[in-house]
Amino acid sequence: GQQVMQIPQYQHVQEGEDFTTYCNSSTTLSNIQWYKQRPGGHPVFLIQLVKSGEVKKQKRLTFQFGEAKKNSSLHITATQTTDVGTYFCAGGGGAQKLVFGQGTRLTINP
Amino acid sequence: GAVVSQHPSRVICKSGTSVKIECRSLDFQATTMFWYRQFPKQSLMLMATSNEGSKATYEQGVEKDKFLINHASLTLSTLTVTSAHPEDSSFYICSAIQGSYEQYFGPGTRLTVT
Repeated sequence: GQQVMQIPQYQHVQEGEDFTTYCNSSTTLSNIQWYKQRPGGHPVFLIQLVKSGEVKKQKRLTFQFGEAKKNSSLHITATQTTDVGTYFCAGGGGAQKLVFGQGTRLTINP
Repeated sequence: GAVVSQHPSRVICKSGTSVKIECRSLDFQATTMFWYRQFPKQSLMLMATSNEGSKATYEQGVEKDKFLINHASLTLSTLTVTSAHPEDSSFYICSAIQGSYEQYFGPGTRLTVT
């Protein structure tokens, strides 16, 4: 079945440093979504990418969808303590189902 | 808008008993609801897709007789863990779609089976 791999599993940075998490799918995706889960919380939708090569920005966050629609990345510029949490990519399968990556847990040293 | 609630937030039950978890979309009608299971510091594993008025579609490896799903209305889906065992202890989380693609997640239910 479809598998979505995400790296790294953990990332610790100094506040102000950049952060990137990468996502790779075993199959071509119809779309990819990104979610953020704060410690003790539930996943919250960040964005969806649909088009090949698409790049979207949300303030300090930049999301990319690969040309082959099998990989994606999330880059955060100049991290802040509010960015702490686990970032999940999720590949769109059939019937609106999502296959979640393992997540990247971001911790920040203030 | 787009708030999803779950009840209970935490439940402890004895081995062999059944537990029902409710998932409600509070301010919208959910065309589809999903049930996930999340182990500590791990990803979300999709268990089943639930559509109002029809049988749930279970993912491979998920026992449909053990995890009973009922989607009685456009705002309510329930997951019943039957004859629970300690290995069923986990964080169960639902999500709902309002017709589009964005999934709105509930706060989750922590199940502990003793």
